[in-house]
Amino acid sequence: DAGVIQSPRHEVTEMGQEVTLRCKLISGHNSLFWYRQTMMRGLELLIYFNNNVPIDDSGMPEDRFSAKMPNASFSTLKIQPSEPRDSAVYFCASSPRDRVFFGPGTRLTVL
Amino acid sequence: AQKVTQAQTEISVVEKEDVTLDCVYETRDTTYYLFWYKQPPSGELVFLIRRNSFDEQNEISGRYSWNFQKSTSSFNFTITASQVVDSAVYFCALIPSNTGKLIFGQGTTLQVKP
Repeated sequence: DAGVIQSPRHEVTEMGQEVTLRCKLISGHNSLFWYRQTMMRGLELLIYFNNNVPIDDSGMPEDRFSAKMPNASFSTLKIQPSEPRDSAVYFCASSPRDRVFFGPGTRLTVL
Repeated sequence: AQKVTQAQTEISVVEKEDVTLDCVYETRDTTYYLFWYKQPPSGELVFLIRRNSFDEQNEISGRYSWNFQKSTSSFNFTITASQVVDSAVYFCALIPSNTGKLIFGQGTTLQVKP
């Protein structure tokens, strides 16, 4: 298995632009997580899905952030409009229940 | 409350020294899982170990060892004879019950100097 796949690996955009981050889960895993890592706040859970259903989105910063899981193997995290304070590394992770496997992360820079 | 605390923000040692990274967790669940992850300068999160709440047996893997004590809600990580390649940020984490929701500590930055 290729593991959790994230794209793009790096994204540089200008304030106000829409950003879409993508994630492909490990086959057979039923939970998906989006985390954000910054120096100030460490690793924060933004949202997690179980069997394609959002279970906990309390970590989503504000309405500019939205996440979808259109099928069992794929998810997107969208930021619209983006702001400089959204600059961070965004990790996607998948889980079969009792362990969590992380993707390589997307480093987002909003200028 | 469900929480993981890594009180040590940064640790600096000289190569070949032993070092212990502390982790204290909080959960009311009787079933839970504890983890350690390593994040090297390259940025990826590398899984090191998983422990379930019913298995307090300590584990050793090469130079790495883990001490799980339910009585003190601690899951400490020791690196013996540290090496420069051990320099990284180390995260302790908790999955309460079977939620699959991984809760991270703040991380401990370990610097091993030659």
